[in-house]
Amino acid sequence: SQKIEQNSEALNIQEGKTATLTCNYTNYSPAYLQWYRQDPGRGPVFLLLIRENEKEKRKERLKVTFDTTLKQSLFHITASQPADSATYLCALDPGTGTASKLTFGTGTRLQVTL
Amino acid sequence: GAGVSQSPRYKVTKRGQDVALRCDPISGHVSLYWYRQALGQGPEFLTYFNYEAQQDKSGLPNDRFSAERPEGSISTLTIQRTEQRDSAMYRCASSLDSYNSPLHFGNGTRLTVT
Repeated sequence: SQKIEQNSEALNIQEGKTATLTCNYTNYSPAYLQWYRQDPGRGPVFLLLIRENEKEKRKERLKVTFDTTLKQSLFHITASQPADSATYLCALDPGTGTASKLTFGTGTRLQVTL
Repeated sequence: GAGVSQSPRYKVTKRGQDVALRCDPISGHVSLYWYRQALGQGPEFLTYFNYEAQQDKSGLPNDRFSAERPEGSISTLTIQRTEQRDSAMYRCASSLDSYNSPLHFGNGTRLTVT
């Protein structure tokens, strides 16, 4: 069966360090993968999209990698700040290249401390 | 509008009653999605529309759930004869199109069935 796995345990890191979050999937052949941020009581907010033919994507302090052989995406936040504390969700398309049925992982909660 | 608007923000209803949840997407967005999110989980796909056409309703749990978007803008998710297991956060999202455009989520409707 199809499965998306994100570390359910919270990730606690110190301010200024690099946070790395993992998204693993099985039985999917996604054309692209998206990362979202979700704060308590709010809807998810889009951060980055990476296509299957892209190895890496950057946006300011954020970096995403996509390894279709390992079936894994890594999400990095460099020089992390307390304001980065949130839950981060990865989402996969169903392989059709459309967002018709994005499937989300359970998310990983990141806590950045001073 | 500035973002996706959902109403009501909270809905408490008695078991067996019907409820209607409303979503007002970002103006000009072709695609509209309904998701359900349990506490500590990622959003779970329910259904989506392109314009007024319902493209995929495979995520609707059973025939008590229905959705419409008659004029290609505002959408309503209706749950008939509610049951306690229907209690959840219901989220609406919209996107420019159903290809690899990011989803813009509303803040959701928290449904509690007593």
